[in-house]
Amino acid sequence: DQQVKQNSPSLSVQEGRISILNCDYTNSMFDYFLWYKKYPAEGPTFLISISSIKDKNEDGRFTVFLNKSAKHLSLHIVPSQPGDSAVYFCAASASGGGSNYKLTFGKGTLLTVNP
Amino acid sequence: DAMVIQNPRYQVTQFGKPVTLSCSQTLNHNVMYWYQQKSSQAPKLLFHYYDKDFNNEADTPDNFQSRRPNTSFCFLDIRSPGLGDAAMYLCATSRGGNEQFFGPGTRLTVL
Repeated sequence: DQQVKQNSPSLSVQEGRISILNCDYTNSMFDYFLWYKKYPAEGPTFLISISSIKDKNEDGRFTVFLNKSAKHLSLHIVPSQPGDSAVYFCAASASGGGSNYKLTFGKGTLLTVNP
Repeated sequence: DAMVIQNPRYQVTQFGKPVTLSCSQTLNHNVMYWYQQKSSQAPKLLFHYYDKDFNNEADTPDNFQSRRPNTSFCFLDIRSPGLGDAAMYLCATSRGGNEQFFGPGTRLTVL
């Protein structure tokens, strides 16, 4: 049973446009969310995160939005660049119950930014 | 540069032949994790160490074992690899918070 779902396996956008990657979760205990970026033949690297006490976090071209009532978060990349082409993983953690350092990942979305 | 290193990057083994994957870190993090990732799937946590405390996920097969002889090193032992164990194995570390730092992974092929 997938607790973190990324329903779009792939997304293609033009350079300079906005990329929006979506993530849904089912576990209401999740209270911290992260996005990781993965290039081929490399491990995932941390990109941006958000706590459940916020609904938005911004870091340069990257913004994550959290809608707790809908159990939905999204990553916006503006403007998109060809170097952003990678697989993006959504991950979540629950701070209670001694599991605050375990992450549950989605399957990832392959973003392709075309020049 | 502080980092997470995995060796080898590519490992080929035969069906049923034990194999060991290695992970080392220079970050001095107290938590180390092993994930299995199959093609187009989410990374799946196998187990983790919080310092010397070993924590096995409930659905991790007994075929998978781990050792952490010191803070810097962690090993994944697959006692009798099956064809279904072919995957990317990712090692990660953390200070005990939410952010994890990943190594480049070891691609395991089982013939």
